Amino acid sequence: QQPVQSPQAVILREGEDAVINCSSSKALYSVHWYRQKHGEAPVFLMILLKGGEQKGHDKISASFNEKKQQSSLYLTASQLSYSGTYFCGTENAGYALNFGKGTSLLVTP
Amino acid sequence: NAGVTQTPKFRVLKTGQSMTLLCAQDMNHEYMYWYRQDPGMGLRLIHYSVGEGTTAKGEVPDGYNVSRLKKQNFLLGLESAAPSQTSVYFCASSYSSGRQPQHFGDGTRLSIL
Repeated sequence: QQPVQSPQAVILREGEDAVINCSSSKALYSVHWYRQKHGEAPVFLMILLKGGEQKGHDKISASFNEKKQQSSLYLTASQLSYSGTYFCGTENAGYALNFGKGTSLLVTP
Repeated sequence: NAGVTQTPKFRVLKTGQSMTLLCAQDMNHEYMYWYRQDPGMGLRLIHYSVGEGTTAKGEVPDGYNVSRLKKQNFLLGLESAAPSQTSVYFCASSYSSGRQPQHFGDGTRLSIL
């Protein structure tokens, strides 16, 4: 079942922060985050496994609340290069992921 | 490093024609996936494979067939193309289960007239 992402779109000025949320109606075993720039392939950012861990990669981090079946992606001090569409992919104890519809992020100078 | 390679990159078909999209990976990954991406719909799983000789249906399998005769290749076939199959198709692979990163190819842009 497709997870729900919010917001659908966000516009930021360089240096501002953003949060993208991903929620599922089913129990989650892992959550993936990917970024896709226009006309390109999705690129892996990070995986969060069951256990409520939080991960970080440069100024992008994420959390996973398995009780609430939610994950959030945090982008701090955004850079122009952060622009793109962000997808979460959720694993419900299986072999494959269910991807959300994506959140479009535009960072302006 | 080639990673995941998809061929062709672009294709235009007429309704009713058939074609095969090829995905090749050189990372020795067990799992391979085919997705379609339509505006506002995200990535939807068509079929996937958990190893050589295996295939399974995903969320939107109708109108497509797949084969994984060799570990490194995953083929997606359209037997009788329909305009509703106009989309961007992405292949991905991962080392093992849903707890490993997926590596995506550059996509195939397919238009069916």
